[in-house]
Amino acid sequence: EPEVTQTPSHQVTQMGQEVILRCVPISNHLYFYWYRQILGQKVEFLVSFYNNEISEKSEIFDDQFSVERPDGSNFTLKIRSTKLEDSAMYFCASGDRDMNTGELFFGEGSRLTVL
Amino acid sequence: SQQGEEDPQALSIQEGENATMNCSYKTSINNLQWYRQNSGRGLVHLILIRSNEREKHSGRLRVTLDTSKKSSSLLITASRAADTASYFCATSRRSNDYKLSFGAGTTVTVRA
Repeated sequence: EPEVTQTPSHQVTQMGQEVILRCVPISNHLYFYWYRQILGQKVEFLVSFYNNEISEKSEIFDDQFSVERPDGSNFTLKIRSTKLEDSAMYFCASGDRDMNTGELFFGEGSRLTVL
Repeated sequence: SQQGEEDPQALSIQEGENATMNCSYKTSINNLQWYRQNSGRGLVHLILIRSNEREKHSGRLRVTLDTSKKSSSLLITASRAADTASYFCATSRRSNDYKLSFGAGTTVTVRA
């Protein structure tokens, strides 16, 4: 069964360092998302990406964040200068053309720990 | 911003019993979805119900939606130990995107 894969599964970094989280969405999907979940809190929308550009972003997604789809398969989230409060589980998700199904497919997540 | 709120926060039941959890939200929606998350894992889509639907079934899952009360319920019948997980409702305001607003979740423990 096709799945969304994310790497790394866990990354520990020092405050101020740059981090890149990688995702391989399901191959025929067109809509890509990043969500995050701070420990014990709700899953929060960060950004949506369609047709090679950001379609919507949340207030959380400030100038320190960027997304890219450098080739036909990868979808990356970059945090330019990490802060302690960026520690969270980051989920990549993708959806297909048929939005009537409404189903988003999530990866297993990348746990980011900022020290 | 619109968010779902689940209750109860936690639920502990015996295998074979039914589990019911509720979700309330604040603004109009296009659809409401339920997801499951096993500890430390990703989110798995369970079921979607649209704003013009009142009830939906999928296997042992039954979802209801009351748009007048802005609430939904998820019933898991004949629970199994493997159903132990956190369950989240998520709402979408528009039909043409997958942007979701998640609730805080209900943690369900099924005792063998």
